[in-house]
Amino acid sequence: KAGVTQTPRYLIKTRGQQVTLSCSPISGHRSVSWYQQTPGQGLQFLFEYFSETQRNKGNFPGRFSGRQFSNSRSEMNVSTLELGDSALYLCASSRRSGANEQFFGPGTRLTVL
Amino acid sequence: AQSVTQLDSQVPVFEEAPVELRCNYSSSVSVYLFWYVQYPNQGLQLLLKYLSGSTLVKGINGFEAEFNKSQTSFHLRKPSVHISDTAEYFCAVSDGSGGSNYKLTFGKGTLLTVNP
Repeated sequence: KAGVTQTPRYLIKTRGQQVTLSCSPISGHRSVSWYQQTPGQGLQFLFEYFSETQRNKGNFPGRFSGRQFSNSRSEMNVSTLELGDSALYLCASSRRSGANEQFFGPGTRLTVL
Repeated sequence: AQSVTQLDSQVPVFEEAPVELRCNYSSSVSVYLFWYVQYPNQGLQLLLKYLSGSTLVKGINGFEAEFNKSQTSFHLRKPSVHISDTAEYFCAVSDGSGGSNYKLTFGKGTLLTVNP
């Protein structure tokens, strides 16, 4: 069974631009969560989607948004990029919301110049 | 609110030595506890998890952890490490009460470096 895939793996943007990251969960998994990883703040929860609905949201500004499609694939969008948005963005999938095990993808490394 | 403290940011050890990576958590509800490993330029891989039952949990690659409710700890151990165990290790907690406000709260990580 294929694991969680994230595209693209690497991305370079400039301040003020917007970016969209994609995540395909493991087949049969309906919950997708997003995390931001930075050297300073560590791993922080962004949001979770289940059945195309946002179930939970972390403490991030409204510039960070997401959505989930009927096939459970999810996208995350960041608008008006700031230098501090440079991070590894990790996606994790699980069978259902509140599941006690999440499977992580390899991440998308975003660099904002 | 939940929080996780990993007491050591870096742990250097020699190959074949034992190692313990420490993790303490705070939570007002029952919890699930996890240890993840991250190799360079990769995502997180689950090593082991505590959901309920036996407080000693065995995971992959010879790792084990013990849940201590009174000390709110979940330390990770391995009796003999290999060079290939060099990686960053993250302790995480989630709400175990079955609520809908589900998310993983991570510690800052411990970089384990195994030297020959």
